[in-house]
Amino acid sequence: KNEVEQSPQNLTAQEGEFITINCSYSVGISALHWLQQHPGGGIVSLFMLSSGKKKHGRLIATINIQEKHSSLHITASHPRDSAVYICAVRLNNAGNMLTFGGGTRLMVKP
Amino acid sequence: DAGVIQSPRHEVTEMGQEVTLRCKPISGHNSLFWYRQTMMRGLELLIYFNNNVPIDDSGMPEDRFSAKMPNASFSTLKIQPSEPRDSAVYFCASSLRRGAYEQYFGPGTRLTVT
Repeated sequence: KNEVEQSPQNLTAQEGEFITINCSYSVGISALHWLQQHPGGGIVSLFMLSSGKKKHGRLIATINIQEKHSSLHITASHPRDSAVYICAVRLNNAGNMLTFGGGTRLMVKP
Repeated sequence: DAGVIQSPRHEVTEMGQEVTLRCKPISGHNSLFWYRQTMMRGLELLIYFNNNVPIDDSGMPEDRFSAKMPNASFSTLKIQPSEPRDSAVYFCASSLRRGAYEQYFGPGTRLTVT
């Protein structure tokens, strides 16, 4: 069983829709990252969380440590949000190593 | 800041050849990571360095892979001899220092071994 599970694997939305991507993990972590990978392949770090909630523009990330769950929300989605969103966790006692989820491929249609 | 720089961006080579991938981390960053991304396995950590010292290389698939960081501004990932199953995108990332800091990814090197 993967230590980091994402859902859904694929998501198609209409422009303007509210989008939620979920990430669950099975072990203790010190931090959780949300990454965005564009169709061209570049990877950008969106958020790093250890508790609570963070917001950047139309993106919101939340984490519930007790439930071992995080969500990434996109409000007023736009076609340029189309990308693969990857959840990664830093396991306790694993230094800087990240363990990755399988990614969620999002397509936002105009 | 130029960000993390990787070269080459694309590499096509024949099976058995030596391949060297290069990375220049963001100036001032103390941690450097090498990742591999394939369709089958997604992103995987190969090795990471703190202050130029390899900390964990458990992700390195086999002895054909080696990585060095001779100084704070340069690292290499070498595959010798290369095999078709090594075809993947290899990413380098750096972060400020050990601890809960964001990682900044390079553009990746797309390697094709024929």
